[in-house]
Amino acid sequence: SAVISQKPSRDICQRGTSLTIQCQVDSQVTMMFWYRQQPGQSLTLIATANQGSEATYESGFVIDKFPISRPNLTFSTLTVSNMSPEDSSIYLCSVAQGGTDTQYFGPGTRLTVL
Amino acid sequence: KQEVTQIPAALSVPEGENLVLNCSFTDSAIYNLQWFRQDPGKGLTSLLLIQSSQREQTSGRLNASLDKSSGRSTLYIAASQPGDSATYLCAVRRVGAGNMLTFGGGTRLMVKP
Repeated sequence: SAVISQKPSRDICQRGTSLTIQCQVDSQVTMMFWYRQQPGQSLTLIATANQGSEATYESGFVIDKFPISRPNLTFSTLTVSNMSPEDSSIYLCSVAQGGTDTQYFGPGTRLTVL
Repeated sequence: KQEVTQIPAALSVPEGENLVLNCSFTDSAIYNLQWFRQDPGKGLTSLLLIQSSQREQTSGRLNASLDKSSGRSTLYIAASQPGDSATYLCAVRRVGAGNMLTFGGGTRLMVKP
């Protein structure tokens, strides 16, 4: 199974600032995903990040607000821009391993915006 | 649009009980269904993956079944333990949606010693 790490594990940020979350995988994967879990809610997919191409965003999420980088097959970043308290959530990255179809998740980044 | 529902939303049982968590989905055109466990403030741990062609999967005290035609899956936990306390999430991967998972709202399980 893939081992995924995220940095930071948590952060408290001021309104109007931006935070970049890093996701590192211990093996090369084609597709990486970014999810958001708002307080008391289930997970919602933000975007799919493929290496060498633009990320694909789901309805309700835009690149200006959540820019994503995918410089290689083991790493991705998600930036939460111009934050507001409504952005307070857990942000999780995940990968799909083609051989098993199983999706693995990182430990998440707990973001609180004041 | 795929919608995934989990019932009950919360469950409290005494240690040792066998229990069943339910997951239903509206679009039966799925590749697979996955059950996850999430501990408070943590990420997700994959428990079981059932392909659309399969009826069930087992891992230790866990057994997951899938009835694709009726849009239902169940997660059976045998001889529950306090360490099983967590939120259990089911997620489906729909045909035509790439690798995107659609999650249910979760069942919050408390196993009391």
